[in-house]
Amino acid sequence: DSGVTQTPKHLITATGQRVTLRCSPRSGDLSVYWYQQSLDQGLQFLIQYYNGEERAKGNILERFSAQQFPDLHSELNLSSLELGDSALYFCASSQNNHRPADTQYFGPGTRLTVL
Amino acid sequence: ILNVEQSPQSLHVQEGDSTNFTCSFPSSNFYALHWYRWETAKSPEALFVMTLNGDEKKKGRISATLNTKEGYSYLYIKGSQPEDSATYLCAFDFGNEKLTFGTGTRLTIIP
Repeated sequence: DSGVTQTPKHLITATGQRVTLRCSPRSGDLSVYWYQQSLDQGLQFLIQYYNGEERAKGNILERFSAQQFPDLHSELNLSSLELGDSALYFCASSQNNHRPADTQYFGPGTRLTVL
Repeated sequence: ILNVEQSPQSLHVQEGDSTNFTCSFPSSNFYALHWYRWETAKSPEALFVMTLNGDEKKKGRISATLNTKEGYSYLYIKGSQPEDSATYLCAFDFGNEKLTFGTGTRLTIIP
């Protein structure tokens, strides 16, 4: 158990809908990262937040957005869902205390199925 | 486009045998390389973070080496056990906090 929690575990929804995935980082970690794992691709970095501010952005679609709240939990919002958005969405956290090469600890993931 | 390649894609190893696999990455702008173990239905588990050329890290029967000049890292597993069955991922770290993952080596240990 990494200490990172994600809810829900599974989500089934229809095309065109909007969903929110939630992540709570490990105690003391300031950074939260979101990754997408599609069927035929490796883990793809989406976005990072550090202490409430967006820090780095990857290949995140405009239909997707995220935020990190004062209690450091984060939410990933996916809207106008398409079939291709079906994937495993992971959240990871790290201390990000400016030491080189922080380890990122991964949560259990949310499996999103768009029908 | 940054390519992080892992080989082989999959591997079957007899219990008790030792094995190794490779992660290749760009040799320029190196900051760190991360290794993860990902068991089915679980989350990726951090194994090592490697930062210096020539680094060697060890955790039980698993060890890793790093060659930043030529852009590769090896992961070794000594005396494979069934619980070592997993996908092993490496991730390249530019220092900009975005990890670029390879597609992994899927290891199956045959009892």
